[in-house]
Amino acid sequence: DQQVKQNSPSLSVQEGRISILNCDYTNSMFDYFLWYKKYPAEGPTFLISISSIKDKNEDGRFTVFLNKSAKHLSLHIVPSQPGDSAVYFCAASAGTYKYIFGTGTRLKVLA
Amino acid sequence: DAGVIQSPRHEVTEMGQEVTLRCKPISGHNSLFWYRQTMMRGLELLIYFNNNVPIDDSGMPEDRFSAKMPNASFSTLKIQPSEPRDSAVYFCASSLDYRTGLGYTFGSGTRLTVV
Repeated sequence: DQQVKQNSPSLSVQEGRISILNCDYTNSMFDYFLWYKKYPAEGPTFLISISSIKDKNEDGRFTVFLNKSAKHLSLHIVPSQPGDSAVYFCAASAGTYKYIFGTGTRLKVLA
Repeated sequence: DAGVIQSPRHEVTEMGQEVTLRCKPISGHNSLFWYRQTMMRGLELLIYFNNNVPIDDSGMPEDRFSAKMPNASFSTLKIQPSEPRDSAVYFCASSLDYRTGLGYTFGSGTRLTVV
């Protein structure tokens, strides 16, 4: 049973527009969340994190929102750039080493 | 730092053969993880080492899989005998302290194809 779900396998967005990637989780014990970005033939690289004590964390063009009651988090990229085209994974942990990853969303930013 | 180094990048093998994947973590990192990526299940944790000691191998699919970390700078993941369903991308990742919240540093992965 997938504890972390990314229900959209792919997303296409025009350059300059907002990209919104979604992630749902089922385990209420999860208290730390990460987003990773992955380019082809490379390993995932850490992008941004959020703790359950916050509902928003911002880093430049990237903002992660956490809705604990809905068990939902989202990654906003504004403005989207062609270089943002990649697969994005969300991951969650219940305060341990064990991060549970979603299946990823492939973002394509169209020039 | 060269990052987490995995070898080989690609491996094609016949069903029944032994396969060994290798990983060199970032120097000074005390946690090492092996993950497997498939389309259906995403990234799955196979095994976690801390200070070279296996802490959690509950994700290892079956006895055909084994992992070792003989020292702080080297780890192997072995599949014997390999089967077509083992075809996937295998990632090694290391971390100084998972509690920092910065997550892991992943290697570039080994794409395994078992025919």
